[in-house]
Amino acid sequence: DAGVTQSPTHLIKTRGQHVTLRCSPISGHKSVSWYQQVLGQGPQFIFQYYEKEERGRGNFPDRFSARQFPNYSSELNVNALLLGDSALYLCASSLLTGDGVADTQYFGPGTRLTVL
Amino acid sequence: QKEVEQDPGPLSVPEGAIVSLNCTYSNSAFQYFMWYRQYSRKGPELLMYTYSSGNKEDGRFTAQVDKSSKYISLFIRDSQPSDSATYLCAMRTYSSASKIIFGSGTRLSIRP
Repeated sequence: DAGVTQSPTHLIKTRGQHVTLRCSPISGHKSVSWYQQVLGQGPQFIFQYYEKEERGRGNFPDRFSARQFPNYSSELNVNALLLGDSALYLCASSLLTGDGVADTQYFGPGTRLTVL
Repeated sequence: QKEVEQDPGPLSVPEGAIVSLNCTYSNSAFQYFMWYRQYSRKGPELLMYTYSSGNKEDGRFTAQVDKSSKYISLFIRDSQPSDSATYLCAMRTYSSASKIIFGSGTRLSIRP
């Protein structure tokens, strides 16, 4: 079975530009979450989507937005890129929302974004 | 103060040694505790998942949770060079959906 897939693998942008990252969850998984991992740090939660609705949001500015499509794939959009947005962006999928349930999240390989 | 504290290492041990990795946390509402392994330029891979306090064993890996001390550990027995990676502790509350809080990771190197 295919795991979580993300595209592109690498991306180089300049300050002020916009970027769209894509994620396809494991087949049958309805929940997708996005994380930002800065070099040398653990992942930080950005968003969770379940059944196309936002179910959770981390402490990130409004420049970050996301959506989930009917096939449960997801996009993360970042506007007005800053140098500090350079990071590995991880997508994770799970069967359920995780509300009160031991629900495992499976991570994709990530998209490495460099902002110059 | 960070919600989850983890010694960044690096930690270098000889092959076959027992490895002990630890995290402390401040939020007493955390109930689900996880350890992820992350190889260079890869996404995190779930190793162990524990609910509340106690021990859980899976092959060469043992996870321990002490909620009274707000302290979790991962032990690796008979360590192998292939265990060389960054190990991330992670945890979440009962009701906070997928908002997993990660430690900063410990870089582990097993010397052949």
